Amino acid sequence: AQSVSQHNHHVILSEAASLELGCNYSYGGTVNLFWYVQYPGQHLQLLLKYFSGDPLVKGIKGFEAEFIKSKFSFNLRKPSVQWSDTAEYFCAVKAGNTGKLIFGQGTTLQVKP
Amino acid sequence: NAGVTQTPKFQVLKTGQSMTLQCAQDMNHEYMSWYRQDPGMGLRLIHYSVGAGITDQGEVPNGYNVSRSTTEDFPLRLLSAAPSQTSVYFCASSGPLGETQYFGPGTRLLVL
Repeated sequence: AQSVSQHNHHVILSEAASLELGCNYSYGGTVNLFWYVQYPGQHLQLLLKYFSGDPLVKGIKGFEAEFIKSKFSFNLRKPSVQWSDTAEYFCAVKAGNTGKLIFGQGTTLQVKP
Repeated sequence: NAGVTQTPKFQVLKTGQSMTLQCAQDMNHEYMSWYRQDPGMGLRLIHYSVGAGITDQGEVPNGYNVSRSTTEDFPLRLLSAAPSQTSVYFCASSGPLGETQYFGPGTRLLVL
């Protein structure tokens, strides 16, 4: 069965610190990869996605992620976080053409001003 | 263009009661799905549909029923609510290849 694992459950950073959130998945075939963000009290919004091509993808608000196929990973990065980045971040994988999206457990990011 | 809408926003039920969570989308998306979000467990897929008249089970389907009579609507039914179903429920939709999913605002359900 497909699964997604996010290594960090709760991350606390100071403003301007760099961020890297880990995401690994288990599936041997073609995958589409996503990072969603959920700001406090809001619904999920797409941060970025990878379908094919350049494994380094850039998303909104300065976020980027790198797909490393050999490591089954899709880590999220941001060089300098802001207080407004405080949110919960979810990695998700869509395997094949089923349309089913499998989510990781989520990482809560708290940025201290 | 309203995107994905969900009603109600918040609901309190007693154990054993039934209710239907409504979900509608106006983007002509074929794929729709229901998730529940619980602390520390991320989002788990309950049921999904790849088009009108077609539904299938996700990771945690027990206690929930769905139907898809139209492209726009995908209601989720709880036939006999249990406290374990206390959660936040999100509906999502996407285009024919199941690409980027768009999420509704969620329904917060409390079962006493």
